Amino acid sequence: DIQMTQSPSSLSASVGDRVTITCRASQGIGNYLAWFQQKPGKPPKSLIYEASSLQSGVPSKFSGSGYGTDFSLTISSLQPEDFATYYCQQYHSFPLTFGGGAKVEIK
Amino acid sequence: EVQLLESGGGLGQPGGSLRLSCAASGFTFSNYAMNWVRQAPGKGLEWVSLISGSGNTYYADSVEGRFTISRDNSKNMLFLQMNSLRAEDTAVYYCAKGYTSSSLTFDYWGQGALVTVSS
Repeated sequence: DIQMTQSPSSLSASVGDRVTITCRASQGIGNYLAWFQQKPGKPPKSLIYEASSLQSGVPSKFSGSGYGTDFSLTISSLQPEDFATYYCQQYHSFPLTFGGGAKVEIK
Repeated sequence: EVQLLESGGGLGQPGGSLRLSCAASGFTFSNYAMNWVRQAPGKGLEWVSLISGSGNTYYADSVEGRFTISRDNSKNMLFLQMNSLRAEDTAVYYCAKGYTSSSLTFDYWGQGALVTVSS
């Protein structure tokens, strides 16, 4: 199975900060990497697919990059609605696997 | 507008069975893979199962042989038959639509159905 490791697992940031979350795959997955945002008590929301393509309706302050084993999600200017937990997911091969999550909290 | 609405959650006995359903609307259901993803209380996301538009199925090792995914394309419905339930199956179960006909990631998620396994 491909293991997905996210870091940090949590971070505190202020409104307006630029935030980057990383995701590392245990083996190469090309660009088969997606990012999701989840707020408490809500289902996940799809943000990015193919490592860097924004889902329809997702604001451009979110961006993704990477290929192979190392990936990142950047929020260019953190807003109150962005405080949430973020998950990466590999879809290179079965079983589909998620990272453990990165919780972005208000400083 | 894509909508996914899960039902059938509730309390199940260890060793017992439950069946989840997901009613889909707003897209051509038969053209997309569909998934079940679960989240144990306070934990992260875990993929459970995928069924392609043509009916090919895939499972996580943790549920292989106990859970069965199926779909009724004529009724735009997705199902998850859960047998031999264990305490560790306690989770919110989300129905998630495949991004494309062949993609293994997701673009839309339902609101989730809580399954609690306890005696």
